[in-house]
Amino acid sequence: GAVVSQHPSWVICKSGTSVKIECRSLDFQATTMFWYRQFPKQSLMLMATSNEGSKATYEQGVEKDKFLINHASLTLSTLTVTSAHPEDSSFYICSAAWDMNTEAFFGQGTRLTVV
Amino acid sequence: AQSVTQLGSHVSVSEGALVLLRCNYSSSVPPYLFWYVQYPNQGLQLLLKYTSAATLVKGINGFEAEFKKSETSFHLTKPSAHMSDAAEYFCAVRGVGTGGFKTIFGAGTRLFVKA
Repeated sequence: GAVVSQHPSWVICKSGTSVKIECRSLDFQATTMFWYRQFPKQSLMLMATSNEGSKATYEQGVEKDKFLINHASLTLSTLTVTSAHPEDSSFYICSAAWDMNTEAFFGQGTRLTVV
Repeated sequence: AQSVTQLGSHVSVSEGALVLLRCNYSSSVPPYLFWYVQYPNQGLQLLLKYTSAATLVKGINGFEAEFKKSETSFHLTKPSAHMSDAAEYFCAVRGVGTGGFKTIFGAGTRLFVKA
């Protein structure tokens, strides 16, 4: 099956710093990637949809200046949490799809802890 | 817009008993439907998917789900629960075509399996 890899798996950063999370499709070209956020014991909330070479589409209530998404190639999307604060601590999961007729494949997630 | 509702945030069964996790969807067109399982501090694992082919879908680990358009349901079942089935289960819907193809998750159901 298609493989999506996230890096890092976990990261701890200081409040006020920025952290970048990578999402790679290893064996297919992903025209679209999705970023989700999951708080403890809650469901996955879609943050944004990114298409290769164009600006990301953010869901309502998600701060685009805080969560910068770049999808510069068909195999890589990055999520940068800028000026992170403890309330940004969460589990971030990406998924990638190559077309509208297949399911999206999920990465293993990144646990972000802001101290 | 597509959405899913999972009935019951917690379900408890005895080992060897039937597992039934309920999911109802809302979609203007026949969607793609999925069940995922998530173990603590891990990513998502796809159990099964419905993509408008057979209405009874068999997945991994003995799980299956039946798509019922008349009831807008996609309930997950397993004849005999195993201790290793204890986890969080998410029902998800994905639109097709112009409806957009982002995957939206239900709130999740925590399955407890008693010895």
